[in-house]
Amino acid sequence: DAKTTQPNSMESNEEEPVHLPCNHSTISGTDYIHWYRQLPSQGPEYVIHGLTSNVNNRMASLAIAEDRKSSTLILHRATLRDAAVYYCILTGGTSYGKLTFGQGTILTVHP
Amino acid sequence: EPEVTQTPSHQVTQMGQEVILRCVPISNHLYFYWYRQILGQKVEFLVSFYNNEISEKSEIFDDQFSVERPDGSNFTLKIRSTKLEDSAMYFCASSERQGHSNEKLFFGSGTQLSVL
Repeated sequence: DAKTTQPNSMESNEEEPVHLPCNHSTISGTDYIHWYRQLPSQGPEYVIHGLTSNVNNRMASLAIAEDRKSSTLILHRATLRDAAVYYCILTGGTSYGKLTFGQGTILTVHP
Repeated sequence: EPEVTQTPSHQVTQMGQEVILRCVPISNHLYFYWYRQILGQKVEFLVSFYNNEISEKSEIFDDQFSVERPDGSNFTLKIRSTKLEDSAMYFCASSERQGHSNEKLFFGSGTQLSVL
């Protein structure tokens, strides 16, 4: 599986935008970039995914570099409820339901 | 919004005992998964299941583990003879389809298994 690299932790203030980076320099042409998050004492939760183009949904935006070797999850206005571990995961090949979680980025949101 | 439901939320058992963890996936989903997370560690894939068969399993999923869809709604994980190292949070997940790299998984809130 192609590997992703994320910062261990990031901090933000409430109502400010947050940019969570992810490097995936060995990504293959057919790998999708997925983001999940895990709130305290909860299961992982799907956030967003994309292949080549930037994506927006009600939770977040995903900006994908032109060479696809990095991506950024953007939370436009952080709330206290967004405090979680954020995972950047590549999916592809033949193991479609097998998500390989790394350590993720612990996001702390200050009031 | 539909959700994956897991029961019980906490399970305490003695080493060597059998446990069954239960999950009710989202009703129109056809693909089911178990993951686990040992305290302080990464979320790890255990097994995927479709059409009453295991699609893929990890090295963790040895002969002590089994999965079953006993009826049209439940999906279970059985550990035959629990070990101390089986203590973890176990997450069930489901997806509408498989075979697509862009498929989304929906996870339950987990069952915390403590083996004493």
